[in-house]
Amino acid sequence: QKEVEQDPGPLSVPEGAIVSLNCTYSNSAFQYFMWYRQYSRKGPELLMYTYSSGNKEDGRFTAQVDKSSKYISLFIRDSQPSDSATYLCAARGNYGGATNKLIFGTGTLLAVQP
Amino acid sequence: DGGITQSPKYLFRKEGQNVTLSCEQNLNHDAMYWYRQDPGQGLRLIYYSQIVNDFQKGDIAEGYSVSREKKESFPLTVTSAQKNPTAFYLCASSISRESTGELFFGEGSRLTVL
Repeated sequence: QKEVEQDPGPLSVPEGAIVSLNCTYSNSAFQYFMWYRQYSRKGPELLMYTYSSGNKEDGRFTAQVDKSSKYISLFIRDSQPSDSATYLCAARGNYGGATNKLIFGTGTLLAVQP
Repeated sequence: DGGITQSPKYLFRKEGQNVTLSCEQNLNHDAMYWYRQDPGQGLRLIYYSQIVNDFQKGDIAEGYSVSREKKESFPLTVTSAQKNPTAFYLCASSISRESTGELFFGEGSRLTVL
């Protein structure tokens, strides 16, 4: 079992839709959770960062972590064609512990149709 | 503009040849990383360096070598011992190894073995 699992998609939605992207993880020692966005043939860029459980909102994006179910979500409101990209979730534990390495999911390919 | 520069963007190699991928950063970051990205596999860590003249193997170091003679530079050599080198290679940096997962990525180098 991979430590971070992510549905590869592709996920196709119409412009303006609410998008829900999800990951699960297996290691309860993970404390830091990130979402990276990667456009085609480019490097990933950090989109959202969350520590422990809870929600974090930034404009149209909301990151949610539920540590009890080991579930990570990213919601995109009012999706735009420019949101079309691969979204990678990632998680890590505390520095110095056995889980301090950043573990990435395989990425979900999102296409927002105009 | 601060960032990470990878070169070349595209590289073709014949079997049995070593190739070196360049990575330069002007973010004044201590830690640098090399990842390999393959379809359906996510990002896998090859090598990382926390400080000049020091580096550590990641999960898939076999067939690769690195050096860290300057803070700004972390070149990756893909040797002929790497059995399946065709992939997208990403260099990243973070303020320090202790930083909580905020990696900054370059634009990547795509290596194809002919």
